[in-house]
Amino acid sequence: AQRVTQPEKLLSVFKGAPVELKCNYSYSGSPELFWYVQYSRQRLQLLLRHISRESIKGFTADLNKGETSFHLKKPFAQEEDSAMYYCALRKGFGNEKLTFGTGTRLTIIP
Amino acid sequence: EPEVTQTPSHQVTQMGQEVILRCVPISNHLYFYWYRQILGQKVEFLVSFYNNEISEKSEIFDDQFSVERPDGSNFTLKIRSTKLEDSAMYFCASRGNEQYFGPGTRLTVT
Repeated sequence: AQRVTQPEKLLSVFKGAPVELKCNYSYSGSPELFWYVQYSRQRLQLLLRHISRESIKGFTADLNKGETSFHLKKPFAQEEDSAMYYCALRKGFGNEKLTFGTGTRLTIIP
Repeated sequence: EPEVTQTPSHQVTQMGQEVILRCVPISNHLYFYWYRQILGQKVEFLVSFYNNEISEKSEIFDDQFSVERPDGSNFTLKIRSTKLEDSAMYFCASRGNEQYFGPGTRLTVT
């Protein structure tokens, strides 16, 4: 069965410093990987998906199949980045369920 | 921008009572999902629904749970006889390009 691991429950970073939120997965096939973000009192929102290879709000994430990782990075943290971040995996491309990691709460220190 | 909506935002019920959680998916979406998140734990898949039938369900989704699309807009999750361990945040999602989540219903079973 597929599994997503986010090793850090909490991460505090100073404003302007680089951010890296770690995500590792286990799945024998070709997964699709996502980052979802949940700002305070708001719904889960899709931030990034690996197939898009895009940068959203300055965040990027590269799928590393060798290391089975999909770490989320941003070179310069901003206060508005404080939120809960969830890495998620979907088997293949389609309408399958998402399997989530436990999430990382990112706090940006002014 | 259209959004998934859920009602109520918070439901308190006594153990053994039936509850119905309601969701209005985005109008042109065809795939619907329920997830739940017990406090402090990861978001877990419950069930997916397409073409008026269940596509996939998790081990959590036992005989106490049911889903229905009673009309063209609503998508409901019913728990027949609630247990204390059903206390959680329940998220509905619908899929267009990707899965879009509702704001959640916090269910408290006392």
